[in-house]
Amino acid sequence: GAGVSQTPSNKVTEKGKYVELRCDPISGHTALYWYRQSLGQGPEFLIYFQGTGAADDSGLPNDRFFAVRPEGSVSTLKIQRTERGDSAVYLCASSLMINTEAFFGQGTRLTVV
Amino acid sequence: GESVGLHLPTLSVQEGDNSIINCAYSNSASDYFIWYKQESGKGPQFIIDIRSNMDKRQGQRVTVLLNKTVKHLSLQIAATQPGDSAVYFCAETQDDKIIFGKGTRLHILP
Repeated sequence: GAGVSQTPSNKVTEKGKYVELRCDPISGHTALYWYRQSLGQGPEFLIYFQGTGAADDSGLPNDRFFAVRPEGSVSTLKIQRTERGDSAVYLCASSLMINTEAFFGQGTRLTVV
Repeated sequence: GESVGLHLPTLSVQEGDNSIINCAYSNSASDYFIWYKQESGKGPQFIIDIRSNMDKRQGQRVTVLLNKTVKHLSLQIAATQPGDSAVYFCAETQDDKIIFGKGTRLHILP
């Protein structure tokens, strides 16, 4: 079976532009997590969904960041007015339910120039 | 704030020896802990997990030990192989979020 899929794998954008990062979780997984990872650091929590609703978005750094999961499956992380400091690898993970084994995708490497 | 951390940033181990990677956590309310392995350019890969009602859990070549008294977690890898070379993260759940520590790089000596 397919694992967690993230697209694109790499994204280069200009400062000030809008970007969307997509995550396809494992089929049937109700929990979906977004993380950001900078070089040499551990993944930093951004937001997680239980079904369609954002259960906890306390990790989103500011209001330029937003994520949706309208049908409880695919999720999109949206970043407005990108800044160079947004450059990082954005990771998505899913699990059958919360507090169970979470599987990560390969990440999207975002570079803001 | 409370966070998960690791004692050593880099661990060098002779191939064939056992590896022990340590982790200290500070949230006594955490009840689920996970070890992840991350290779360069890849997402974290689940290795093994343990719940707070256990103190030891074994997998294939890996063992996780949990000491709730001193809030310490360790990952033991038996007969370390070159393919074990990676960064290892311990993580805990806080309010249903998975929170990661900074990681330990495991370096295998030939």
